Amino acid sequence: DSGVTQTPKHLITATGQRVTLRCSPRSGDLSVYWYQQSLDQGLQFLIHYYNGEERAKGNILERFSAQQFPDLHSELNLSSLELGDSALYFCASSTRGNPNTEAFFGQGTRLTVV
Amino acid sequence: DAKTTQPNSMESNEEEPVHLPCNHSTISGTDYIHWYRQLPSQGPEYVIHGLTSNVNNRMASLAIAEDRKSSTLILHRATLRDAAVYYCIGGGADGLTFGKGTHLIIQP
Repeated sequence: DSGVTQTPKHLITATGQRVTLRCSPRSGDLSVYWYQQSLDQGLQFLIHYYNGEERAKGNILERFSAQQFPDLHSELNLSSLELGDSALYFCASSTRGNPNTEAFFGQGTRLTVV
Repeated sequence: DAKTTQPNSMESNEEEPVHLPCNHSTISGTDYIHWYRQLPSQGPEYVIHGLTSNVNNRMASLAIAEDRKSSTLILHRATLRDAAVYYCIGGGADGLTFGKGTHLIIQP
């Protein structure tokens, strides 16, 4: 158990809908990273938050947004969903604001868009 | 982030050492080298990371070439539970850039 909790574990929704994925980092970790893993693209970095502020953006679509709340949990919002958004979404947390430290990944949320 | 090159797959026998190579010839002087692994149906798991010197922890050792253009992850005594995809990542100024990794197969 990494200490990072992601909910829900599975999500099935229709095209055009909007969903919210939630991540609770390990106790004391200030950084949250979001990743998308699909069969054809592999693991892709989406966005990084540190202590409530956005630190870096990766390959995140404009239809996707995220935030980190004062209690440090984070949410990834996916809207106008398309079939191609079906993937595993992971969040990871770490103590510091840069990835040059050990990151702990959650078990992921499997999103299926039908 | 530096581009990394790893073999697609490797096979080893249980209880033998495993050496997983990685080339990262474009790595900058301040980029760390990270190794993560992903077991089936699980999130990635941190293995080890280092900058210049060789590093050891309870899971593995990381041998970094003097010119830092390559590194080798060493599992000292492979078990069936080590069967996973191993990712070598160079850099990570923002998020980590995962490549395709090496699929490690452990034969009993």
